[in-house]
Amino acid sequence: SQQGEEDPQALSIQEGENATMNCSYKTSINNLQWYRQNSGRGLVHLILIRSNEREKHSGRLRVTLDTSKKSSSLLITASRAADTASYFCATLPYNTDKLIFGTGTRLQVFP
Amino acid sequence: NAGVMQNPRHLVRRRGQEARLRCSPMKGHSHVYWYRQLPEEGLKFMVYLQKENIIDESGMPKERFSAEFPKEGPSILRIQQVVRGDSAAYFCASSLGDGSGNTIYFGEGSWLTVV
Repeated sequence: SQQGEEDPQALSIQEGENATMNCSYKTSINNLQWYRQNSGRGLVHLILIRSNEREKHSGRLRVTLDTSKKSSSLLITASRAADTASYFCATLPYNTDKLIFGTGTRLQVFP
Repeated sequence: NAGVMQNPRHLVRRRGQEARLRCSPMKGHSHVYWYRQLPEEGLKFMVYLQKENIIDESGMPKERFSAEFPKEGPSILRIQQVVRGDSAAYFCASSLGDGSGNTIYFGEGSWLTVV
């Protein structure tokens, strides 16, 4: 069964605004990874956060992880039109090497 | 260091034909995964392999689908007697598979269209 649920399903913002996407999951995890997918393309790995970490930064990206609530968020600051894509969270449950994907958030950034 | 390489990128097959999708993992990676993505949906796990061994095939349809990762050469996802519902993007990914929960890297995908 699908591990992650993301919300919102779709998000439209103006350039310069921040975009926040949330991901919830069901089982205990080893880590959680966020990916971006442009239309018709493959997945680009953005950031990995381990279960013992609470926050990670990479450029304009900030990821938080709350294992007690089984949730994560991805914040993109000062968004650009080029950030327009679908964003997926994927969890790596304990004792597996199998990533389970969420349903994704479609982000559109208007110039 | 080349990433995960998939080919073909696009494949058109008539109903009843066979589709073969190939995947070469990143250098040094011994574990390969196959995922399927239907239009406007997330990725669904199909199968997880290491060289000459299937570790987890819980997401593979019971019929017509098979996967292998031979000692030499790429991993192959084979779909026999394709039907229209097989039309999807098939993504391969690879990892070190050392149990440390490292990043899993994806290829650009193979888009299968069944006509």
